Amino acid sequence: EAQVTQNPRYLITVTGKKLTVTCSQNMNHEYMSWYRQDPGLGLRQIYYSMNVEVTDKGDVPEGYKVSRKEKRNFPLILESPSPNQTSLYFCASRTDRVGSDGYTFGSGTRLTVV
Amino acid sequence: AQSVTQLGSHVSVSEGALVLLRCNYSSSVPPYLFWYVQYPNQGLQLLLKYTSAATLVKGINGFEAEFKKSETSFHLTKPSAHMSDAAEYFCAVGSLGDMRFGAGTRLTVKP
Repeated sequence: EAQVTQNPRYLITVTGKKLTVTCSQNMNHEYMSWYRQDPGLGLRQIYYSMNVEVTDKGDVPEGYKVSRKEKRNFPLILESPSPNQTSLYFCASRTDRVGSDGYTFGSGTRLTVV
Repeated sequence: AQSVTQLGSHVSVSEGALVLLRCNYSSSVPPYLFWYVQYPNQGLQLLLKYTSAATLVKGINGFEAEFKKSETSFHLTKPSAHMSDAAEYFCAVGSLGDMRFGAGTRLTVKP
């Protein structure tokens, strides 16, 4: 089944404790992206990657890191999480033609930073 | 730069009534436009997309949207709402660079 898999689904952590949210896709998509969803703000892009070793900042990159060492994986790293990063996070992937079916989304990771 | 604006963060309709969710876009080049739906505790699913082939686009679950260049709009409609349509709906634009999403519209369907 074609899908984007992100883990974990739920995560509670403490301020300053480094964490990684994993994301993997099995569709051989070139583009991968991380979004955060907050009430009233919709989805805001954190980082995206156009292919292996090619990444770029989205609209809200501060406090996050990403890497794209393999085409299928695109982990999101929070080096020192803070309470304002409490949010619902989505990983997504698509082909390199934006006029295709747009992004395929994972099921989300709900992160709480206390 | 490209962006979308969804008018109305909450829309409530009665079962069987017309559903109209509004989206206006801004893009300096011909855009690709999308509507996604998000059911509770799930990711986003593609409802339909506009890629310049036809201005009236039909999607899943009886939804459709019409691209109107003169109004820079891409409103989502469904003739008759069903209880199962209750969800959050997102409009998105993609052309230069990557995709941008609107703030979302939560649809409530009353029995």
